[in-house]
Amino acid sequence: GAVVSQHPSWVICKSGTSVKIECRSLDFQATTMFWYRQFPKQSLMLMATSNEGSKATYEQGVEKDKFLINHASLTLSTLTVTSAHPEDSSFYICSARDQSETQYFGPGTRLLVL
Amino acid sequence: AQRVTQPEKLLSVFKGAPVELKCNYSYSGSPELFWYVQYSRQRLQLLLRHISRESIKGFTADLNKGETSFHLKKPFAQEEDSAMYYCALSDYGQNFVFGPGTRLSVLP
Repeated sequence: GAVVSQHPSWVICKSGTSVKIECRSLDFQATTMFWYRQFPKQSLMLMATSNEGSKATYEQGVEKDKFLINHASLTLSTLTVTSAHPEDSSFYICSARDQSETQYFGPGTRLLVL
Repeated sequence: AQRVTQPEKLLSVFKGAPVELKCNYSYSGSPELFWYVQYSRQRLQLLLRHISRESIKGFTADLNKGETSFHLKKPFAQEEDSAMYYCALSDYGQNFVFGPGTRLSVLP
């Protein structure tokens, strides 16, 4: 089946630094990728929809200048958390949608901002 | 706005018993409904979608537009079914909404 990878799987950083998370579809092309955030004991919250070659569409309440999304190719989308603060600590999950409209999820990236 | 509710945070059943995970949604159009499952320490994965009308791992779900529900059912639960289950809705476009999830625990 289709596989989506995320890198890194976990990251610890100091407050004020920027962190980049990569999401790759390994064996299929994904014109659309999604970025989610999961708080402890809560459901996934869609942050933004990333379309290859165009600007991402952000959900209400998500700061686009803080969470920079780039979808440079059909197999790669990146999420950069700029000037990270402790409240940005969370579990970030990406998914990629194939031509049959099925979403495949990455394993997630755990971010801890000190 | 689209919304998905799953009234039960935790559902415990004994092995071999029937199980039903409830999901209700609110959407003005014709949505596409999904069930996703996350086993312990594994990534989220698609379990089934209403348009395919198939049974996966013994689970089925019927879209009831009158009741705006998409309950997940299995006649005989197995211990390996213990996991977190998320109901999700898509409007065939950009919008994708997850429910809060139900943790299913199948007891031996």
